Amino acid sequence: GENVEQHPSTLSVQEGDSAVIKCTYSDSASNYFPWYKQELGKRPQLIIDIRSNVGEKKDQRIAVTLNKTAKHFSLHITETQPEDSAVYFCAASIRLRMGGSQGNLIFGKGTKLSVKP
Amino acid sequence: KAGVTQTPRYLIKTRGQQVTLSCSPISGHRSVSWYQQTPGQGLQFLFEYFSETQRNKGNFPGRFSGRQFSNSRSEMNVSTLELGDSALYLCASSLSTGSSTEAFFGQGTRLTVV
Repeated sequence: GENVEQHPSTLSVQEGDSAVIKCTYSDSASNYFPWYKQELGKRPQLIIDIRSNVGEKKDQRIAVTLNKTAKHFSLHITETQPEDSAVYFCAASIRLRMGGSQGNLIFGKGTKLSVKP
Repeated sequence: KAGVTQTPRYLIKTRGQQVTLSCSPISGHRSVSWYQQTPGQGLQFLFEYFSETQRNKGNFPGRFSGRQFSNSRSEMNVSTLELGDSALYLCASSLSTGSSTEAFFGQGTRLTVV
């Protein structure tokens, strides 16, 4: 089955710096790669996702890149702010083109990001 | 639009007991997945239901089971509880059409086994 490795497990940056979190996956059939942010005591929330037919996606200060050949994908946060401090999880899954369900997100173990003011 | 609702929020059980957790998905969502979250292992996939059928299952023992009802609500059951079952149990629902893939999480049920 799918296995997702995530690095680093902890990351500390100064406010305004960039943060990069990297993940690798094992199943070449995976085609959907979301990133979730979980603040302390709260539920995970989707911040950005990417499908395997796209190499990069941006949303304001957040970007995700995907290298299908190497089976790795990364989250990039620019101009970090203290409110970016949280645990970030990457995940991989198979999404069927015609819908129906493949809801088994396989998560990495998370990266605790601390942004120091 | 109401979000994913999980009940109860907190539970304390004794070893050997069984427990049932409930998840009500967002209206219209047919897929419900369950995850176990622990500090050491992160988020681990338990199983997924779609239209009342279990479509995927993670690597958990048979003590963990679930079901989904015709209104898409789902329940998860854990029998013969062990101390190691203490965790936050999260469910997530999704529309699961070709274009819509986002999984929305509930607040979770914090289970403590003593």
